[in-house]
Amino acid sequence: QKEVEQNSGPLSVPEGAIASLNCTYSDRGSQSFFWYRQYSGKSPELIMSIYSNGDKEDGRFTAQLNKASQYVSLLIRDSQPSDSATYLCAATSGGYQKVTFGIGTKLQVIP
Amino acid sequence: DVKVTQSSRYLVKRTGEKVFLECVQDMDHENMFWYRQDPGLGLRLIYFSYDVKMKEKGDIPEGYSVSREKKERFSLILESASTNQTSMYLCASSPLTGGNEQFFGPGTRLTVL
Repeated sequence: QKEVEQNSGPLSVPEGAIASLNCTYSDRGSQSFFWYRQYSGKSPELIMSIYSNGDKEDGRFTAQLNKASQYVSLLIRDSQPSDSATYLCAATSGGYQKVTFGIGTKLQVIP
Repeated sequence: DVKVTQSSRYLVKRTGEKVFLECVQDMDHENMFWYRQDPGLGLRLIYFSYDVKMKEKGDIPEGYSVSREKKERFSLILESASTNQTSMYLCASSPLTGGNEQFFGPGTRLTVL
């Protein structure tokens, strides 16, 4: 069973700080990696995709990928209370373009 | 923008009923997926389809079936609903090409009494 592991949290950070969310995956064949944000009672919303080693920045969000260590992370700079949500890490696995999701890390940004 | 819609936001059914959950996407995506999401268990794949009339079992297909007669529509069927199928059901779609990003519908919260 291919897995994506995340700490369920909650991760609490003060407003304006950097939130660091981490994820590991077991399938060395995974090619694409994603971060989704899910507000309570809502469906997951794609916020970042990353496909190659290194960093990818989009506004306040930076995704980092290290395939050798099978490690993916998401940094949120200048965290805002509106960033409080559960963040799901996901990786492609198996055939037919399946994606395996982690359990999600709950982030709380304290005003 | 990709738009994935689901037929109901909330649904309450009785044990033993046959339940249909409908999902429609408007972006001509080849792949469609059904997940359920439960606290502490995360998103679990029930079934997926990579083409019309094609389907593949996911991780937890027992008690479910699916139908994909048209490219834009993917239906999840609970043959005989049971209380342990009370859950949030999420539909997603993704294109055949590109990075396999999946886009989710708003979800259906199903309660089986």
